[in-house]
Amino acid sequence: EGELVESGGGLIQPGGSLRLSCAASGFTFSDYNMFWVRQGPGKGLEWVSFISKSGSPIYYADSVKGRFIISRDNGESSLHLQMNSLRGDDTAVYYCVRNGPSGPTDSFDVWGQGTKVTVSS
Amino acid sequence: SYVVTQPASVSVAPGTTARITCEGDKIGSKSVHWYQQKPGQAPVLVISYDVDRPSGIPERFSGSNSGRTATLIITRVEAGDEADYYCQVWHPISDHWVFGGGTHLTVL
Repeated sequence: EGELVESGGGLIQPGGSLRLSCAASGFTFSDYNMFWVRQGPGKGLEWVSFISKSGSPIYYADSVKGRFIISRDNGESSLHLQMNSLRGDDTAVYYCVRNGPSGPTDSFDVWGQGTKVTVSS
Repeated sequence: SYVVTQPASVSVAPGTTARITCEGDKIGSKSVHWYQQKPGQAPVLVISYDVDRPSGIPERFSGSNSGRTATLIITRVEAGDEADYYCQVWHPISDHWVFGGGTHLTVL
């Protein structure tokens, strides 16, 4: 079915940068669109960014547009999220998520365990 | 932007049926997916495309979608079903993916 393992989270000061990574295994990574989804403390799920299987197109939620950059390396089966100009409201658990095989209308069918990002001075 | 609304909480007794709704404009024309999230765990897909159960999800979980309301239905509710449930749709006009605010299911 597939496995996703995130890394790179931690404590970072406001205005700082952090790079999250996700290692995929158990499926052909290049066949699937991928997402980052986050969940603030005690809050619901929020879609953050989408990248297609080829690397284009890319979409961002308005809350992170211009600050975050999603990328992928199909040769390494890895997904990344470069987060810049971090703010307190970026504090969340960040999940790496696979899009189902039918594309954007399909579900988020495989989730990683999440990596926690805390933005605080 | 497109908005979907869920009740904050639903409470049912064990062995009864839980219905969790997800309301949105013409949501019946969209594909709705449902996720279950237990404390400290990642979400798990329980229903895709309104009515489809992924492998490993009990038959007690089903869904419907029409008009302004999509519904997740859990029959013969068990204590282990206590969790947060989220609906999700794709809004093509904005190329955004939208989650409902989540519903906490309490098994009394």
